[in-house]
Formats: sequence, structure tokens, C-alpha cells
Amino acid sequence: GESVGLHLPTLSVQEGDNSIINCAYSNSASDYFIWYKQESGKGPQFIIDIRSNMDKRQGQRVTVLLNKTVKHLSLQIAATQPGDSAVYFCAEKDYGGSQGNLIFGKGTKLSVKP
Amino acid sequence: EPEVTQTPSHQVTQMGQEVILRCVPISNHLYFYWYRQILGQKVEFLVSFYNNEISEKSEIFDDQFSVERPDGSNFTLKIRSTKLEDSAMYFCASSDGGTGVEKLFFGSGTQLSVL
Repeated sequence: GESVGLHLPTLSVQEGDNSIINCAYSNSASDYFIWYKQESGKGPQFIIDIRSNMDKRQGQRVTVLLNKTVKHLSLQIAATQPGDSAVYFCAEKDYGGSQGNLIFGKGTKLSVKP
Repeated sequence: EPEVTQTPSHQVTQMGQEVILRCVPISNHLYFYWYRQILGQKVEFLVSFYNNEISEKSEIFDDQFSVERPDGSNFTLKIRSTKLEDSAMYFCASSDGGTGVEKLFFGSGTQLSVL
């Protein structure tokens, strides 16, 4: 049958390598960005966020980079582990928009090979 | 760690029937949300709720949808007359009222199948 829906970009990495997942956003007025991880059958899980007055933020094994000039967001995962296998979504919030109304990207599927 | 809980995890219903999806947000959170995800597609905003009223709703959230906080712990989404295209995973989320107001915590979702 015909496939309906989005075809997710897939990133396949070896365990222990670093992963970089990219996201382009379209609204230059967006002032807040979040990365979520979604494992099969589960809800989005918060990973890290960044506001538009910053260009880099680090968490535990994760770093988010924001380039407002080209409207690009990236998530770096250090020493990727099998448990990191999931779909990763970036989400943005429009400046002045209702809080909690997040616009999600289409996601990237990360597969970690042991 | 506190979490958002949703029941049931799966709901099968006949077209035209009413369904109620239930959520228990994180206890000290003040803002509540419903999102949905049609299979293979993006997570989409439906509605936000604060201080016992809707703050914002999307175009998807038409008259067949309603939300309620019937008591101090539950937050529900009612779909009055389900349609085939309502089949999706429905996620409840909540956030607190401080500087983390935009940091949403999601439940594991209710998979709604309309036959």
C-alpha cells in the first residue's frame, strides 16, 4: 500500500561516537527552542532547551547550538549509547505566542549500533 | 521523578462515539496541554489550559473537542463524536508557572483508534 506521512531522516552511528542532529526552523521570531527525545510508544521526553539570547548550552552529554543567522539548531550527543536510540524532535516557541504552544519539527531517527 | 500519567494507554471506539481521555499532570504544575501525533507525522498542538480556562487552541481543536479539569488532579480531553481522522496518539503535558513555564513534560500518551 501507499506510504502516508513523513519519512524521517535517519542517523546511524556507532556506539561511543558523537552524534549531531540538525534542525532548521523557519520563524525568525522564535525565542525559545527545545530538544525532545521520543522512544517508541512513549511521549516526548525533554532533553535540553535554549533561549534565543544564547548560542550554546550544555547538559549532561548533550550540547545544543543555536545559529540565529541561518535559523539552525543542532543537538550534539557525546559518546552515544544504545539507549540514545530514538526519534529526536526540535521544537520552537514563537516570541509573544502563547506559552506551551510549541511547533515541533518532523524528527530525526537516531540508530546506535553496538 | 514526578511524571504525567495518562489513561487509558489504548482506546478503541466506533465512529460517532464519545471518548474521554484522562491525564494526571505533575502535581505542582499550573499549565496543561493536549497534543496529538498522527502516525508518522509531527506532534501537533491542540490546546493549552490555565486557571480553569482555555488559553489557546489550534485549528484542530474544533467544537467536537473540549477539555476539563474536574478536580484538583485530573485533566481530561473529550471528543464528542469521533471521526476516523481522530485516530492518533494523544499526549497530555504540563508545565509549572515559574521560569520553566515553557518546559513541557509529556505523558506516555493514549493511542486512540476510531473504527
